[in-house]
Amino acid sequence: EVQVVESGGGLVKPGGSLRLSCIVSGFTFSSYSMNWVRQAPGKGPEWVASISASGGYIYYADSLRGRFTISRDNAKNSLFLQMNSLTAEDTAVYYCAREAGATLGYWGQGTLVTVSS
Amino acid sequence: EIVLTQSPGTLSLSLGERATLSCRASQSVISSYLAWYQQKPGQAPRLLIYGASSRATGVPDRFSGSGSGTDFTLTISRLEPEDFAVYYCQQFDSPPRYIFGQGTQLEIK
Repeated sequence: EVQVVESGGGLVKPGGSLRLSCIVSGFTFSSYSMNWVRQAPGKGPEWVASISASGGYIYYADSLRGRFTISRDNAKNSLFLQMNSLTAEDTAVYYCAREAGATLGYWGQGTLVTVSS
Repeated sequence: EIVLTQSPGTLSLSLGERATLSCRASQSVISSYLAWYQQKPGQAPRLLIYGASSRATGVPDRFSGSGSGTDFTLTISRLEPEDFAVYYCQQFDSPPRYIFGQGTQLEIK
């Protein structure tokens, strides 16, 4: 059974940083691209970043302006998202999701990030 | 950049009725890259349809997808209580990124 579990969310002040983690099981992690997707309260999902299976190709949403960094550790079946210079607009549930062709076939339960003073 | 517009924003129907949800793309898209998701409160989105018309594993056959070019449709043939949720369409674009519509809220009438 595929399992995807995010952690690391919480309350952070504007301008602060946070590092999200995602640990997976039930599939060969090193064979799949992985993604972060966020969803602000009452809004639709917004794709944030993607990293290829080997980690050699990385893509970000244009709106992030270089503030976020996606990375992975295939030996530990883990995905990360380093978020810097956070603003209130970054408040959202952050999901880790595995690619399945041109879709996101497996999602975690999400971790809530709240940016507020 | 492709924009996906879903309609209606809210759809109110009764149990057993047929639901038709629309997703329109701002430019022609590759059908094999069009997907639909269902999201219930407090849960992550769940993949329903991929390749515009193929059901994901475990999805009941009352769900069907169709369309091509710029116009795509998700149809639920006979609404069950568990079908009332928010539905999103999604397009995969290049360079790798996933574009979502704003969603259609399906509510019980």
